[in-house]
Amino acid sequence: DTGVSQNPRHKITKRGQNVTFRCDPISEHNRLYWYRQTLGQGPEFLTYFQNEAQLEKSRLLSDRFSAERPKGSFSTLEIQRTEQGDSAMYLCASRSYSGRIYEQYFGPGTRLTVT
Amino acid sequence: AQRVTQPEKLLSVFKGAPVELKCNYSYSGSPELFWYVQYSRQRLQLLLRHISRESIKGFTADLNKGETSFHLKKPFAQEEDSAMYYCALSYSGAGSYQLTFGKGTKLSVIP
Repeated sequence: DTGVSQNPRHKITKRGQNVTFRCDPISEHNRLYWYRQTLGQGPEFLTYFQNEAQLEKSRLLSDRFSAERPKGSFSTLEIQRTEQGDSAMYLCASRSYSGRIYEQYFGPGTRLTVT
Repeated sequence: AQRVTQPEKLLSVFKGAPVELKCNYSYSGSPELFWYVQYSRQRLQLLLRHISRESIKGFTADLNKGETSFHLKKPFAQEEDSAMYYCALSYSGAGSYQLTFGKGTKLSVIP
């Protein structure tokens, strides 16, 4: 499968615990995005990387959230001291920087449930 | 700030009937608009982009800058069109081209 992959697919954690998600983009894509989707809403932008540089962060990304993309390949999203409001689907997407090709390819998502 | 509005949460149509999924946007710049679709148990995938002016699976969408709309249309609905549809706007804030999505419309095609 050459698409975007995300692990784990599901995560249940207790409030106050830390969690980390991983995203593996399509190999030749240098841009990587994280989105969050809650019930009844469309995906909302969290942050974006071009290669290893994190270039933009949404106001939705509180201090408890941190994202990395070492070596410009896979990315991790960590949430510290999880809260029930963090329960959501976390989506990763990637795209190439190639002229006017704007399509972002999405992964299957990681569903987080905070109890 | 950019915003995408999809006024219908749920749209039910009979097989063979025309479909129109509404999308309105607000954005001060020149927008790039998309329709994404999510079939049951599948990931979000691109259906249409306005710059391509193409028809995919019988769907078309025209950007109307005067009405700030990008409605998705299909003349004859098929059962396999049942899915969640999201309208999205590409925003080049800081060069990111992040997507701003509407809340989505669930299309249900009744056999």
